[in-house]
Amino acid sequence: EAGVTQFPSHSVIEKGQTVTLRCDPISGHDNLYWYRRVMGKEIKFLLHFVKESKQDESGMPNNRFLAERTGGTYSTLKVQPAELEDSGVYFCASSQIIDGELFFGEGSRLTVL
Amino acid sequence: GEDVEQSLFLSVREGDSSVINCTYTDSSSTYLYWYKQEPGAGLQLLTYIFSNMDMKQDQRLTVLLNKKDKHLSLRIADTQTGDSAIYFCAERYQGGKLIFGQGTELSVKP
Repeated sequence: EAGVTQFPSHSVIEKGQTVTLRCDPISGHDNLYWYRRVMGKEIKFLLHFVKESKQDESGMPNNRFLAERTGGTYSTLKVQPAELEDSGVYFCASSQIIDGELFFGEGSRLTVL
Repeated sequence: GEDVEQSLFLSVREGDSSVINCTYTDSSSTYLYWYKQEPGAGLQLLTYIFSNMDMKQDQRLTVLLNKKDKHLSLRIADTQTGDSAIYFCAERYQGGKLIFGQGTELSVKP
């Protein structure tokens, strides 16, 4: 069975451009989470989907970030316009039930120049 | 508030034991976790402990939980070079989200 997959693995863009990160959770996992690790700091929670609904988006840094999960399957995280401080590794995770084991993807590294 | 603290670096010699420490803030957390991240890889769940336990042993790994002091530790016995990685402590909040520490980079010297 495929694990959580993320695309792209690495993206390099210039400040002011737009980037869209994609996450495909494990099939059948209703819960999908986005996390971010910036410059060797802690891994910070961004938001949590249950199916297509945003359960908790308290970690989203500002309105330049837009997460969607249309149809409750894969999710996208768009950063527009990107700023230098958005550089980091964006992790996606999924779980079958809300307190179930979280399975993480390998992350998408974003570099904003 | 939500806060998990870890020391940033630990260096040990191959064959020694490693102890990675973590403090957390939310006393209502039901589960506490240790994740491992190898270079270029994602986060791998190493082990976890339920909050009503004091200790959990899993092969070379021993997790100790002091709930009174909100202190969690991970001991790796007979540390090998393949154990070199970043280790993250995390606590589970209601609603399912994890709060992570900064990660401890473990360096194992031959």
